Amino acid sequence: QVQLRESGPGLVNPSETLSLTCTVSAMSVRNDYWSWIRQSPGKTLEWIGYTSHSGSTRYNPSLESRVTMTVDMSKNQVSLSLTSVTSADTAVYFCARSHQSRFDPWGQGTLVTVSS
Amino acid sequence: DIQMTQSPSSLSASVGDRVTITCQASQDIAIYLNWYQQKSGKAPTLVIYETSNLQTGVPSRFSGSGSGTDFTLTISSLQPEDFATYFCQQFANLPFTFGPGTKVDIK
Repeated sequence: QVQLRESGPGLVNPSETLSLTCTVSAMSVRNDYWSWIRQSPGKTLEWIGYTSHSGSTRYNPSLESRVTMTVDMSKNQVSLSLTSVTSADTAVYFCARSHQSRFDPWGQGTLVTVSS
Repeated sequence: DIQMTQSPSSLSASVGDRVTITCQASQDIAIYLNWYQQKSGKAPTLVIYETSNLQTGVPSRFSGSGSGTDFTLTISSLQPEDFATYFCQQFANLPFTFGPGTKVDIK
């Protein structure tokens, strides 16, 4: 079945750029949309945005000025870049397949802490 | 943005109990609502999509209903593996938004 796995640094300095990769297996990234979602400690889920191989991308307006998502078909990966991070960006970041606006499956998530 | 609220925020129940969780949207979202289950330290999993459709592999004791602004997730007979936090999510408008979650724990 389709599996997703996030990877990237667990610690990022304030004002720097958070960069994460989601590796997809058992399915080509070409065949659907892919979202990033985050969950701050003890809080609810926040949709960051989605992207597709065709470049169709939408971001949450609350983060739009700082977010970039891309698809690498050669590596079957989806990436997330979030610039100028602060402590408010500390969260578990998930990637998920966005099929007909429902998120399934999800990766296991990766904790990113913003701290010096 | 469409704001999603859930009630209760937490509940305690026993195995075999019927459990109902409600989700309310700040504006009409028709039937564009999904439900997710999240167990401690794990990623959410899709339980119900488009208000009332059971995701493949999810037991039939789960059901969903509603339309417009008011929705419910019902577990007809709570099982030990159902103790988790449940989130609703609207997809009527961007940005997609989630409810704050309802934690179901053991009485």
